[in-house]
Amino acid sequence: GENVEQHPSTLSVQEGDSAVIKCTYSDSASNYFPWYKQELGKGPQLIIDIRSNVGEKKDQRIAVTLNKTAKHFSLHITETQPEDSAVYFCAARISYNTDKLIFGTGTRLQVFP
Amino acid sequence: NAGVMQNPRHLVRRRGQEARLRCSPMKGHSHVYWYRQLPEEGLKFMVYLQKENIIDESGMPKERFSAEFPKEGPSILRIQQVVRGDSAAYFCASSPLPGRSEETQYFGPGTRLLVL
Repeated sequence: GENVEQHPSTLSVQEGDSAVIKCTYSDSASNYFPWYKQELGKGPQLIIDIRSNVGEKKDQRIAVTLNKTAKHFSLHITETQPEDSAVYFCAARISYNTDKLIFGTGTRLQVFP
Repeated sequence: NAGVMQNPRHLVRRRGQEARLRCSPMKGHSHVYWYRQLPEEGLKFMVYLQKENIIDESGMPKERFSAEFPKEGPSILRIQQVVRGDSAAYFCASSPLPGRSEETQYFGPGTRLLVL
């Protein structure tokens, strides 16, 4: 069945350093890959997304790369700040029969000042 | 433009009672998804609905759980005869028109259900 693996489960970085989170998906029919940030007690907030016809997308300090051949995609956060501390989830969507998102298990990012 | 709204934000039920969770999608969105998040885990898809129609309920438990999205009013996730294992955060997401470039799902703040 559909599966998304996410690594690492926890990540600690110093303020100003970069953070990278990686995900691998199983179904080659997946065509849309969003990343969500979830703060404690809140709902997931979309921070960036990428579609399968694009290899890379950037929005200020956040970038996502997609390798369709290897079926993996990554989130890159540069110049991290303490307010980046949260749990980050990757997801993959298959749209041929439904539009549900399959989520990774999450990465708890902690940025130390 | 208000975001996805869910209520209640917190719900406490005793075993055997019923839980009703409500979701109002963003203005202009006609597609609703429900996800469940157990503590320290990712979100698991439950059901996908359009107005008056269930599109995909492959993630719904076979018994005690049901969902609807009537022509008027919010979408409702109903859990009958709750058990302690139902304790989780339930999130609703909405999107304007899946399958096209506007397929982004926007999430609500969630309802945290605690079954005593």
